[in-house]
Amino acid sequence: GQQVMQIPQYQHVQEGEDFTTYCNSSTTLSNIQWYKQRPGGHPVFLIQLVKSGEVKKQKRLTFQFGEAKKNSSLHITATQTTDVGTYFCAGPGTASKLTFGTGTRLQVTL
Amino acid sequence: DTAVSQTPKYLVTQMGNDKSIKCEQNLGHDTMYWYKQDSKKFLKIMFSYNNKELIINETVPNRFSPKSPDKAHLNLHINSLELGDSAVYFCASSQGGTARDTQYFGPGTRLTVL
Repeated sequence: GQQVMQIPQYQHVQEGEDFTTYCNSSTTLSNIQWYKQRPGGHPVFLIQLVKSGEVKKQKRLTFQFGEAKKNSSLHITATQTTDVGTYFCAGPGTASKLTFGTGTRLQVTL
Repeated sequence: DTAVSQTPKYLVTQMGNDKSIKCEQNLGHDTMYWYKQDSKKFLKIMFSYNNKELIINETVPNRFSPKSPDKAHLNLHINSLELGDSAVYFCASSQGGTARDTQYFGPGTRLTVL
């Protein structure tokens, strides 16, 4: 079945450094969603991308959908401790259900 | 008001026991889900219901039985609990049942089987 892989699995940065997580699919995606899960919390929707090459920004977060619609990235500029958590991408899988990626855990230290 | 709520938040029980987790959403959504998140944080869908009808049933042991008395509620009953069932279980809801619909997650139920 369709798999959505994310890299890296884990990243530890100093506050103020940039961070990027990449999401790769084995099949073309009609859309991709991003979620954030704080430690001890639940996944919270961040954004959805649907167009090839689409770029969307939310303050320090930049989301990109690849031209071939098989990959996506989330870039955080100048990380803050509030960015700590696990970031998931999610795309349509078999039976049109949303399939979550493997997640990237971000740790930010002062 | 909490949009998607689950009870209990924590559940500690012995192997072999039967337990239930309840979920309610007040968003007026048609679709509800159960996810299992293991210790490595992988989020795996277990079940999906649309307006009380079972839509998705992943390869989950039949010890797990979901029940949707109405479209605002989706409960999960687990029989004969095993050590491997220890995980965080998330309920979620969305307006439609497609992969374009935003999913709203409950706070999770941390199940520990001893």
